[in-house]
Amino acid sequence: AQSVTQLGSHVSVSEGALVLLRCNYSSSVPPYLFWYVQYPNQGLQLLLKYTSAATLVKGINGFEAEFKKSETSFHLTKPSAHMSDAAEYFCAVSVGNFNKFYFGSGTKLNVKP
Amino acid sequence: DVKVTQSSRYLVKRTGEKVFLECVQDMDHENMFWYRQDPGLGLRLIYFSYDVKMKEKGDIPEGYSVSREKKERFSLILESASTNQTSMYLCASSSPGSGGLAKNIQYFGAGTRLSVL
Repeated sequence: AQSVTQLGSHVSVSEGALVLLRCNYSSSVPPYLFWYVQYPNQGLQLLLKYTSAATLVKGINGFEAEFKKSETSFHLTKPSAHMSDAAEYFCAVSVGNFNKFYFGSGTKLNVKP
Repeated sequence: DVKVTQSSRYLVKRTGEKVFLECVQDMDHENMFWYRQDPGLGLRLIYFSYDVKMKEKGDIPEGYSVSREKKERFSLILESASTNQTSMYLCASSSPGSGGLAKNIQYFGAGTRLSVL
């Protein structure tokens, strides 16, 4: 069975500080891993995805994530938070022929001025 | 750009009504998905479809049905709406045959916020 755990339903950082959003997954086969962002009253937008080509994946808006197989983790980071980063972030794993996704419960990022 | 369009952003319905949520994608994607999103629970898969007239139950199909008569359109049906179906509903599509950067990505609509009174 696949599952995704996001530690911390709310994370608050100051503008300019490091952003770290945690994601751990369980998968019996090599997964595809994704981070999506959701701004208020909008759908989900892809930030980045891991597909085994490289363990460090760079995404949009300065975000990146590192795949660590030994830790079954795919944490999202950004060196310097911006006010516009305030949103909800979802980690997801995809397995199987039908490209089913399993989502974490989400982390709301608050950026303080 | 891939576009997934959900017909309504906001809907208010009464208990017992039959409700249709419509989703259209313009990228000839084989796979389409319906999720509901509730605070603290993330996105939960209701139904998905991998081809016209084909459907599979997701994790929470009870109280819902779906229809896919054309490749571009995937409808979610609440046969008799109940207050516990008040939620945000998100549609997504993907193409397993896409290569490169598009492979395995799900593209989402803006969502329909449904209130059942």
